[in-house]
Amino acid sequence: GENVGLHLPTLSVQEGDNSIINCAYSNSASDYFIWYKQESGKGPQFIIDIRSNMDKRQGQRVTVLLNKTVKHLSLQIAATQPGDSAVYFCAENVKGQKLVFGQGTRLTINP
Amino acid sequence: NAGVTQTPKFQVLKTGQSMTLQCAQDMNHNSMYWYRQDPGMGLRLIYYSASEGTTDKGEVPNGYNVSRLNKREFSLRLESAAPSQTSVYFCASGTNMNTEAFFGQGTRLTVV
Repeated sequence: GENVGLHLPTLSVQEGDNSIINCAYSNSASDYFIWYKQESGKGPQFIIDIRSNMDKRQGQRVTVLLNKTVKHLSLQIAATQPGDSAVYFCAENVKGQKLVFGQGTRLTINP
Repeated sequence: NAGVTQTPKFQVLKTGQSMTLQCAQDMNHNSMYWYRQDPGMGLRLIYYSASEGTTDKGEVPNGYNVSRLNKREFSLRLESAAPSQTSVYFCASGTNMNTEAFFGQGTRLTVV
């Protein structure tokens, strides 16, 4: 696979546990946020998004929380599975301008 | 639907050579993007096209040029490749600039 994310922050969890991946964003004017999942050798894949007029949004096994006061975004994955192992990126968008990505976090699921 | 298609998937260039990375999307999206991804770093935006007929610089545009050929296609050109341009390049597209972007599978470029 690719040598993507050699020095990324890493989170290891046991299969079946819940995972929480955190992201601090930089621009207080950002009004749209996205979480992406990237598996080895593949392009980023959209997971879930949230707009700044919300503080929580739920999908299938995933929840995104937004705290605009401290410019913090989190992705919660319930009952993690081996297929959840990947690098996760948050991205922020300012009023229809370019999408800016964070550094990413590597999630490893232990059997 | 194929989504976002990039060609080639792999490429090795010698320093100073030129090449064009091709990207096409079949989702009728207005916005298209080129990112590069280096080890230990997130995706960095090279150029983007908010809509057909417009292009703008991103975070790291030096050494690159782009062409929004039509609504479907957005190409990235390296005029004189340098080893620092060794990276994985991703093309993406979105309905507009304030919606999620869908990514291609990437082009792994090595410049020797």
